[in-house]
Amino acid sequence: GAVVSQHPSWVICKSGTSVKIECRSLDFQATTMFWYRQFPKQSLMLMATSNEGSKATYEQGVEKDKFLINHASLTLSTLTVTSAHPEDSSFYICSARGSSGRNHGELFFGEGSRLTVL
Amino acid sequence: QKEVEQDPGPLSVPEGAIVSLNCTYSNSAFQYFMWYRQYSRKGPELLMYTYSSGNKEDGRFTAQVDKSSKYISLFIRDSQPSDSATYLCAMRDGQNFVFGPGTRLSVLP
Repeated sequence: GAVVSQHPSWVICKSGTSVKIECRSLDFQATTMFWYRQFPKQSLMLMATSNEGSKATYEQGVEKDKFLINHASLTLSTLTVTSAHPEDSSFYICSARGSSGRNHGELFFGEGSRLTVL
Repeated sequence: QKEVEQDPGPLSVPEGAIVSLNCTYSNSAFQYFMWYRQYSRKGPELLMYTYSSGNKEDGRFTAQVDKSSKYISLFIRDSQPSDSATYLCAMRDGQNFVFGPGTRLSVLP
């Protein structure tokens, strides 16, 4: 299947700092990428939908100024957690939807990024 | 009523057992149905992808869709300890994906 690379896989930061997480589709183009948050033993919570070349669409209750999303190319979307606080500690996962060819319409996930804010 | 319902488990079975995982849904517009497997601290991995009603088999895995009942299943034959993970069903109508909460499966050696 197609590969989605997410980096970093884990990060520890101090409260008040900003953290950037990258999501790359390695062998296919993705006009749409999704960002999720997952707490231990719970399901995926969709945070926002990232569309290449346009502003992201955020789910209700997700602060757009807190979680900055940029989707500057067909293979890269970034999530920046600004002024992180301990309550932002979580597992963040991205997914990319294939936009053409044999991967068209299918959804592939990154490996996830574990953020710990001290 | 949630759009997609899935028993969260945990479900424990002995090695070699046949596992049945199920989801029900309410939106009749869903046309594409998927099963993802998620190991602890990892991203979900696409296991099966089916369109419309019917069965699809891939090795030890069989996905079944019954659109008339709004019910989908994933069967795992000869289950192995390495199958221990959380299994998420997902479905979409056009552009929107909806995930079930996931079922935690433990296959005991």
